[in-house]
Amino acid sequence: AQSVTQLDSQVPVFEEAPVELRCNYSSSVSVYLFWYVQYPNQGLQLLLKYLSGSTLVESINGFEAEFNKSQTSFHLRKPSVHISDTAEYFCAVSEGNAGNMLTFGGGTRLMVKP
Amino acid sequence: DAGVIQSPRHEVTEMGQEVTLRCKPISGHDYLFWYRQTMMRGLELLIYFNNNVPIDDSGMPEDRFSAKMPNASFSTLKIQPSEPRDSAVYFCASSRTGETEAFFGQGTRLTVV
Repeated sequence: AQSVTQLDSQVPVFEEAPVELRCNYSSSVSVYLFWYVQYPNQGLQLLLKYLSGSTLVESINGFEAEFNKSQTSFHLRKPSVHISDTAEYFCAVSEGNAGNMLTFGGGTRLMVKP
Repeated sequence: DAGVIQSPRHEVTEMGQEVTLRCKPISGHDYLFWYRQTMMRGLELLIYFNNNVPIDDSGMPEDRFSAKMPNASFSTLKIQPSEPRDSAVYFCASSRTGETEAFFGQGTRLTVV
């Protein structure tokens, strides 16, 4: 069985400040790792994913996440946030089978203040 | 492609009534998932289908919940009778064998009063 823990339920941060959203997972097998973003009253959109290879993955809007196998972590970072980044962020894992059935963390609400 | 389409976007119903949520997956996708999002439990998988066949329904909370997929382009999630604690956002997602991403619909916000 897999589980995902997002250590912070809410992260308030000022605009242009750096941010890190933490994610730890547990699994007995190799997994794929994902970050999804949910804007208010919207569905979930894939932000970035780690499948294999380079442990640092990036999104098109400046977010990055690093897979750390020894610490079973996949923290999400951005060096300078914008107001428009205000959203809920979900970390998720998949074993890569069963059509990418996902196990989600509890979510972290990122609140960017001016 | 228009993506995963869910209807309705919002549903308000009275306790005891039957509720049917609908989902149209992306064309060509052979997996379909139903998730529920609540404040208390976060995002949890209710059931998923492969090639229209239910594979794992262990996440369905009670017998009041049922899901069907009569063909590759349509699925329903039914709650009968509905209760206030069923109030949540229900998401449908689809994916294709061999690919590594699941695509989500916009969700249906269900309120049972």
